[in-house]
Amino acid sequence: DADVTQTPRNRITKTGKRIMLECSQTKGHDRMYWYRQDPGLGLRLIYYSFDVKDINKGEISDGYSVSRQAQAKFSLSLESAIPNQTALYFCATSAASPTQTQYFGPGTRLLVL
Amino acid sequence: DQQVKQNSPSLSVQEGRISILNCDYTNSMFDYFLWYKKYPAEGPTFLISISSIKDKNEDGRFTVFLNKSAKHLSLHIVPSQPGDSAVYFCAASPNAGNNRKLIWGLGTSLAVNP
Repeated sequence: DADVTQTPRNRITKTGKRIMLECSQTKGHDRMYWYRQDPGLGLRLIYYSFDVKDINKGEISDGYSVSRQAQAKFSLSLESAIPNQTALYFCATSAASPTQTQYFGPGTRLLVL
Repeated sequence: DQQVKQNSPSLSVQEGRISILNCDYTNSMFDYFLWYKKYPAEGPTFLISISSIKDKNEDGRFTVFLNKSAKHLSLHIVPSQPGDSAVYFCAASPNAGNNRKLIWGLGTSLAVNP
């Protein structure tokens, strides 16, 4: 079974709709992250959480919000989706270790029409 | 301003030969460097890391070299196999106490040709 799961794996939505992407992990890690990947732009951090009561903005948080419902769950919401939010979205987890090795989910491919 | 740079967007090598992927960084305050591999339609997977106090770390066909004076690291894959074709990301872990976040390069796409 996968340690980090994301739902849905694919989503098509329309401009202005609210959508939620969900992430669950069984690794027992305190730290969770949301990234988006666009061609040629690598992985950009949207939000991160170092424990259940901690939420921090990443480099591209505008237009997004998150909720850390439990240690194992971290969801990402697009309140009013726009076409330039079309991207691959990845959730990741890590322990509070010196290397900060992150473990990624399989990704959600989002298309905003 | 990018603190971790992978200046080659793509690389093509023949099966059986060596693949060398490069990464440069601008901040001396990184404790660890990591390499990740990403196949299309999958999440990145951790490959190998190196501590800033070392200059080499080896794991099977994968070796990472760190040159601190040049602020440069490289990932060597020997011998390269078609299954190594993927995007490789370099990442650095700052020694910023407990508030570390990985800093990522933009990736290099490796194609290993049979």
